[in-house]
Amino acid sequence: AQSVTQPDIHITVSEGASLELRCNYSYGATPYLFWYVQSPGQGLQLLLKYFSGDTLVQGIKGFEAEFKRSQSSFNLRKPSVHWSDAAEYFCAVGLSGGYNKLIFGAGTRLAVHP
Amino acid sequence: DTGVSQDPRHKITKRGQNVTFRCDPISEHNRLYWYRQTLGQGPEFLTYFQNEAQLEKSRLLSDRFSAERPKGSFSTLEIQRTEQGDSAMYLCASSRSSGNSYEQYFGPGTRLTVT
Repeated sequence: AQSVTQPDIHITVSEGASLELRCNYSYGATPYLFWYVQSPGQGLQLLLKYFSGDTLVQGIKGFEAEFKRSQSSFNLRKPSVHWSDAAEYFCAVGLSGGYNKLIFGAGTRLAVHP
Repeated sequence: DTGVSQDPRHKITKRGQNVTFRCDPISEHNRLYWYRQTLGQGPEFLTYFQNEAQLEKSRLLSDRFSAERPKGSFSTLEIQRTEQGDSAMYLCASSRSSGNSYEQYFGPGTRLTVT
């Protein structure tokens, strides 16, 4: 069965520090991979996506992610975190086959210390 | 592009009552999805429409739940005889069926509390 694992439930970083959020997926076919961010009480905003091609993808707000097929991973990174990045981050896999429902991980809550 | 809108944003109801939520997708999007998100979890897929046709329903969608999308525009999600376990955030998303069809745009959600 398809699944997404985000091993870190909570992460705390200092403002200006680098960030890496981990994501591992289980899916038999070529995955469509996404990172979404959710601020308290808000819906989900798409940060970036991977469909094919270059395995390092750039997104909004200075985020990037790298697809590693051999490790079934799609980790999210940011070189310097801002206080406004504090939020919950969700990794998702989209199932191919025409319409692409999303399977989400449980999320990683990011706290940023000043 | 005014984004996906959902109404109401919050709903408090007593156990056993019926509730209905509305989702207005981005106007040119013909695909519409409903997800449910409980505290501390990621969203879980409930159902999917392409135009007015409901093409998939999750096993999470018990017979107390029904969704419609008349005329392929807005959608409604109704929960009959609500239970405390129905308390969650209900998210709607929409996407195109061509081009970047795998990009789903989410609304702000409807938070349901069943007392």
